[in-house]
Amino acid sequence: AQTVTQSQPEMSVQEAETVTLSCTYDTSESNYYLFWYKQPPSRQMILVIRQEAYKQQNATENRFSVNFQKAAKSFSLKISDSQLGDTAMYFCAFMTSIYNQGGKLIFGQGTELSVKP
Amino acid sequence: GAVVSQHPSRVICKSGTSVKIECRSLDFQATTMFWYRQFPKQSLMLMATSNEGSKATYEQGVEKDKFLINHASLTLSTLTVTSAHPEDSSFYICSARSTGGPGTNTGELFFGEGSRLTVL
Repeated sequence: AQTVTQSQPEMSVQEAETVTLSCTYDTSESNYYLFWYKQPPSRQMILVIRQEAYKQQNATENRFSVNFQKAAKSFSLKISDSQLGDTAMYFCAFMTSIYNQGGKLIFGQGTELSVKP
Repeated sequence: GAVVSQHPSRVICKSGTSVKIECRSLDFQATTMFWYRQFPKQSLMLMATSNEGSKATYEQGVEKDKFLINHASLTLSTLTVTSAHPEDSSFYICSARSTGGPGTNTGELFFGEGSRLTVL
């Protein structure tokens, strides 16, 4: 069974600084997707960034980038130039194969990020 | 963009009654929808996978008779909490996978706004 581990329950960062959230996962699959989701106080899940396992190049979306280390099964999220609006719970997620297990999304425990002015 | 709507967003019910939560994909067809449960300050726990026209697949430990899932059309899945008790109080979130539409080639799921259930 796949597992996703986020070892940082809480983190804080000063506005405009950079912060890195860590995530590790365990799987025997070779093709899969990895995601970072943001959940603000409204509880709406917002996709931050995605990574296909077969792509070696790390995904980037504006101020958000990932460090994907497939062999180490590590998928960290870097937020540059942190903004107050980045304050939220961040979840790392692994998607199983659609053809094997229906493409289930397995979430890590979450990291609560606070951006301080 | 792809929109998933849940209704109701909040519901309060008495212990022993049943509550139905709807999850609709508004601008795309979804053969597969997922139901999650989330306690405060905790992660999303997958309850079941809902496939249009067939029985739902429940995760280990989830009571099938308590959490009834129906996916009767390509745009609607429902979760019914039967004989609800206070311990069923939680935040329930659905997500949907598009069929041939947005996110098809990227594996992206689209999430509803969530439904907060309070059982008195």
